[in-house]
Parts: sequence; C-alpha cells; structure tokens
Amino acid sequence: KAGVTQTPRYLIKTRGQQVTLSCSPISGHRSVSWYQQTPGQGLQFLFEYFSETQRNKGNFPGRFSGRQFSNSRSEMNVSTLELGDSALYLCASKPAGPTDTQYFGPGTRLTVL
Amino acid sequence: AQSVAQPEDQVNVAEGNPLTVKCTYSVSGNPYLFWYVQYPNRGLQFLLKYITGDNLVKGSYGFEAEFNKSQTSFHLKKPSALVSDSALYFCAVGRNNFNKFYFGSGTKLNVKP
Repeated sequence: KAGVTQTPRYLIKTRGQQVTLSCSPISGHRSVSWYQQTPGQGLQFLFEYFSETQRNKGNFPGRFSGRQFSNSRSEMNVSTLELGDSALYLCASKPAGPTDTQYFGPGTRLTVL
Repeated sequence: AQSVAQPEDQVNVAEGNPLTVKCTYSVSGNPYLFWYVQYPNRGLQFLLKYITGDNLVKGSYGFEAEFNKSQTSFHLKKPSALVSDSALYFCAVGRNNFNKFYFGSGTKLNVKP
C-alpha cells in the first residue's frame, strides 16, 4: 500500500497570507489527524477528522481549520499567517479506532516570512 | 488529563551497548502506548505499541518496550545500539474511546561509533 502523502512538501509564505495543505491517507484509513511540530513546542495536536467530521480538536486558534472529503483526503487551512506558524505540519492516518496505529506522512515544511 | 513525559532530552550511547529511552505517562483508564522514531526532515515512523497482553512488546529494527503499570512507564530498549539508530524518539499515549494521542517532547538518541 502507498503511504500517507502530503503536498506540498515545502512552502514559503508571508505574514497575513493564507495557506492550504493537503493530505492523502493510506487507502482504507478513515481517520486523519494533523499535528504541528516546532523545536520549542514539540508535537502538538491540531485536529482529527473521521468520516468527514471533526472528531477531536486541539488548542489552536480559529485561524487553523480543516476538512475531510468523502475519499478521506484531508486539507488543513491556516489563515492570516503569523511568523510563529512556521513549522513542520504532519498528517497521520489510521483505520478508525483508538488502538489503531497512526501512520505519518513526510510533512509539509511551512516557512512564514 | 492525559500526558506523556520523556525526562531526557538526549541520550548518548556507544555503538554495541544497550540503550534505553524513557517514557512515563498519566492517563485515566487503560493506556494505549506507542513509540515512534523520526529521522531528520522526515515524518514519524511507527516502532511498536502496547494495547493489552504481554508487558514486553517487540517492534521494528530490534526495538522492544516494557509496559510497567505500577510505575506508569513504557521505556524503549534495544540490546545493542547501532549508529543508524541515531534519531529523535517519541512516546505517545491514547486510551479507550479516545482517538486523540498525546505525544512526549521527544528524546534525541545519539549513538557514537
């Protein structure tokens, strides 16, 4: 099976712009989670989608949003970018339940100038 | 509240020596525990997980971990370290009816020749 893919791999934006990141899960996986990884804060959970519905949400401002499509592909959007949004954004997919293993994509490196 | 602690930011070990990367957790109910490894500029790769059953779990690349309920720990071990094991290691915890994982802050493992 193909792994989790994320596009684009690298992105450079300026403050105030918005950005959309894409994630294609492993075939058959219905749950997609997004994480932000920074050197100072480590891995922080953004949100999880399951069957097109947001099932869990982390403690991020409303500028961070996401959605999931009927084919389980997911997008994450960040509006009004700030310098502090520079990070590696990781997507992970799993079949469905809490004991299922999450498999991670390679990430999208976002740099905000 | 659920949480994971990795008390060591960095672990140094000589090639051929045994290695241990520590993880302790706090979760209400029965925990589901995972270990992941991250190489530079890559996503996280799954190593092993504990859901239930035997406290000693064997995983990829010769790694194993022991679940200790009384000490609320899930330390990662390997009998003989390789230079190629040098990477960033993350412990994560989940629990039943809860699809959100909490990650530790990560431990950088340095294996010297």
